[in-house]
Amino acid sequence: GAVVSQHPSRVICKSGTSVKIECRSLDFQATTMFWYRQFPKKSLMLMATSNEGSKATYEQGVEKDKFLINHASLTLSTLTVTSAHPEDSSFYICSARKDENKLDTEAFFGQGTRLTVV
Amino acid sequence: GQNIDQPTEMTATEGAIVQINCTYQTSGFNGLFWYQQHAGEAPTFLSYNVLDGLEEKGRFSSFLSRSKGYSYLLLKELQMKDSASYLCAVSDSNYQLIWGAGTKLIIKP
Repeated sequence: GAVVSQHPSRVICKSGTSVKIECRSLDFQATTMFWYRQFPKKSLMLMATSNEGSKATYEQGVEKDKFLINHASLTLSTLTVTSAHPEDSSFYICSARKDENKLDTEAFFGQGTRLTVV
Repeated sequence: GQNIDQPTEMTATEGAIVQINCTYQTSGFNGLFWYQQHAGEAPTFLSYNVLDGLEEKGRFSSFLSRSKGYSYLLLKELQMKDSASYLCAVSDSNYQLIWGAGTKLIIKP
């Protein structure tokens, strides 16, 4: 199957600093990538849709200035958590669909990033 | 609004069979996915249903009834490694995935 690589898998940062998370599609090109946040025992919450070469589409309630998304190429999207606070601690996951024109295309997920802000 | 419901937690015995249900109410329907997620890891794809009926894939089967807004994932010959959360997700009219909260499956020896 297709591979999506996410890095880093774990990061601990100090409150007020910024953290960048990378998501790469290794063997396919992805015009669109999705960023999710998952709280313990909760569903995946879509934060934003990353679009190659254009601005990301953010879900309601997600601060675009706090969660900066850049999708500069067809294989790389980055999520930067700016001025991180302890409440930003969470599990962040990216995903992409291999063939965006097919309805039954499964989403492939990165390994996830466990962010802890201290 | 859009809603996906599945039980929070289930317990089953190794070697047995378990059925995890999912009901949904979404704006449009373009298929239903089941994913498995082990603790601390990203979800992995299990199945996709877009037509009514049962899809069998090894020990795992998935069923869909569009008229009832209902699906289930059936796991046979349970193994300890099947202990995980199982997520139901529906692709809505915009092909956006709407996720259930997941069902934590606990397998006991």
